[in-house]
Amino acid sequence: QIQLLQSGAELRKPGASVKVSCKGSGYTFTRYGISWLRLAPGQRPEWIGWIGTYNGQTNYAQNLQGRVSLTTDTSTNTAYMEVRSLRSNDTAIYYCARGMSTIFGVVLDVWGQGTLVTVSS
Amino acid sequence: EIVLTQSPGTLSLSPGERATLSCRASQSISRNYLAWYQQKPGQAPRLLIYGASSRATGVPDRFSGSGSGTDITLTISRLEPEDFAVYYCQQYVSSPWTFGQGTKVEFK
Repeated sequence: QIQLLQSGAELRKPGASVKVSCKGSGYTFTRYGISWLRLAPGQRPEWIGWIGTYNGQTNYAQNLQGRVSLTTDTSTNTAYMEVRSLRSNDTAIYYCARGMSTIFGVVLDVWGQGTLVTVSS
Repeated sequence: EIVLTQSPGTLSLSPGERATLSCRASQSISRNYLAWYQQKPGQAPRLLIYGASSRATGVPDRFSGSGSGTDITLTISRLEPEDFAVYYCQQYVSSPWTFGQGTKVEFK
């Protein structure tokens, strides 16, 4: 069964950092990139960035650039997202999603279950 | 950045009825790099349609996508009880990938 399993909910104070993991199973991890996204209450989904699991190449959305780092550990089939200098408006459910190559580009076909990150003093 | 605007915000329908959801882009989406996702409470989004009109694996054929350029449509031919959810369109032709604000399909 193909799945992405994310780490559990996190509570952080403003200014702190958080690192969320996303472990792939049931497929060859390095054949698919991983995107990270977040969904805050009442907001539309927001794309955070992309990492190529084969070569570690990254592409970040400008909104979070400089505060977010995407990495992978191919020995454990795990992708990581770290967000630094957290603010209250970073409170959201964070998702990882697998990027599948199709004739119509790369689409997000398998999603993790989501990780709630709450930023509050 | 491509801005996607979905309409209507909420669609109140009964099982068996037809649902038509619209997604309008601020600029033409080339190569039809447009996807639709379904999200139910407490769950992650689920890929329904990609390439504007190709159904993802396992998606029932009552779901169909159409359109091109700046106007894309998702149609659910006959609503089943499990189809009541929020639907998002997403463009992946240019970075940053962006989403619409969602259409909620609710029971009438």
